[in-house]
Formats: sequence, structure tokens, C-alpha cells
Amino acid sequence: DVKVTQSSRYLVKRTGEKVFLECVQDMDHENMFWYRQDPGLGLRLIYFSYDVKMKEKGDIPEGYSVSREKKERFSLILESASTNQTSMYLCASSSGGTGGTDTQYFGPGTRLTVL
Amino acid sequence: SQKIEQNSEALNIQEGKTATLTCNYTNYSPAYLQWYRQDPGRGPVFLLLIRENEKEKRKERLKVTFDTTLKQSLFHITASQPADSATYLCAPTRSGYALNFGKGTSLLVTP
Repeated sequence: DVKVTQSSRYLVKRTGEKVFLECVQDMDHENMFWYRQDPGLGLRLIYFSYDVKMKEKGDIPEGYSVSREKKERFSLILESASTNQTSMYLCASSSGGTGGTDTQYFGPGTRLTVL
Repeated sequence: SQKIEQNSEALNIQEGKTATLTCNYTNYSPAYLQWYRQDPGRGPVFLLLIRENEKEKRKERLKVTFDTTLKQSLFHITASQPADSATYLCAPTRSGYALNFGKGTSLLVTP
């Protein structure tokens, strides 16, 4: 079974801190994604990566950056956390290709609170 | 701009009945449509995929239809059980790397 793990289930940070969220997948997937999920707004794509060192902006990239140095690992970075970045963050991976047939496998999520 | 609509109101049904969830989309023509299930505090889990040239897809108690004329997909759970209670997300998607998710509909099945 595909396994996507995220470094923390719960995280509390202070405004202005630099925050790293880590995601690791164990199935040699090409594509990896970072979403945030907020009540009433659904899943919103922040960034995705289709190859090592490659990244593409999603719908809401402002205030975030990403890093993919190894195929299995995709990091989301909040350069200077703000309270409006309090959210559930979900990482996903998919096997590859550009079709909408590509099933995504999600991690358990990290609930981040910024005080 | 493209828009995906799922009923924001929770659907409450009695155990044993058929649950029907709706996914409507506008301003684009997806080639595929995926459905996911999400339990509270967890990531979504893939359930079914249907292509634009398929009218219907089944998997055990689940059935999905895809009407490209109406721009709508229906997701049915027959003989529903309390364990089916969850939020269900649709993702009508064109080709490309990223999926476009609806906001989801919450289903509550009561004994």
C-alpha cells in the first residue's frame, strides 16, 4: 500500500516563525502536492512538484515556498508564519503522468495553529 | 472561471437507504471525474474514477454516473451503513497534474 507520511499531526507556532512541514512517500511517485483545507473553502492547492527540483504554483502560493531535493520528500515552508495560515495542511502524491486519471494518495494531515 | 459545486448542506439518511450525492461543474469540460472519501481529521481516500466516455461506474455498493451534457456527476451508496458517514469530495478534472476538488458534502447515516 502507498504510504504518505507527514512530519507532525499537530503543530503550534508563533507569528513570524519559519515553519517547515515535511512529507514523505514510499511508492516512488513522480508527483507530490501540498494543499490546505479550511472549513467552507475546501481543499486548495498551494504547490505541486512533478519531478525532483521542479515545482509549480497552485491556486494559493502566496506566503509559501516548497522544496523537493529528493523524489520521496516534499517540504512546505512558511517563511514567516501568520495567523491566517492556521489551517489543516495535506500532502499528497501520485504516480505520474498528466492525466486526470492519476489517483492521489493523501497523508494524514498536519493541523497547524499560528498564534 | 471553472466552478465545482457540491451540496454544502449535510445529507442525513437512514441506514439501508440509498444515498445520492451531487457534483456539478461549470465553465469547463473535464475528461475525468474522481470521488474521494474523507473522515474527520484525516486525508481524503480515493474511491472511484469515471471517464467522460463512461456513463456509469460501479464498485461494490458504490455507483457513479457522469453526464457531460448536464455537467453533473451523481454518487450513489446503496444499502448505506453508519460506517459510510463521512465527507465525500468530487474532483472533475481535465488532463494535467493537479486535481480540482469540490468542497465536499457531508453524509450522515443513522441507524
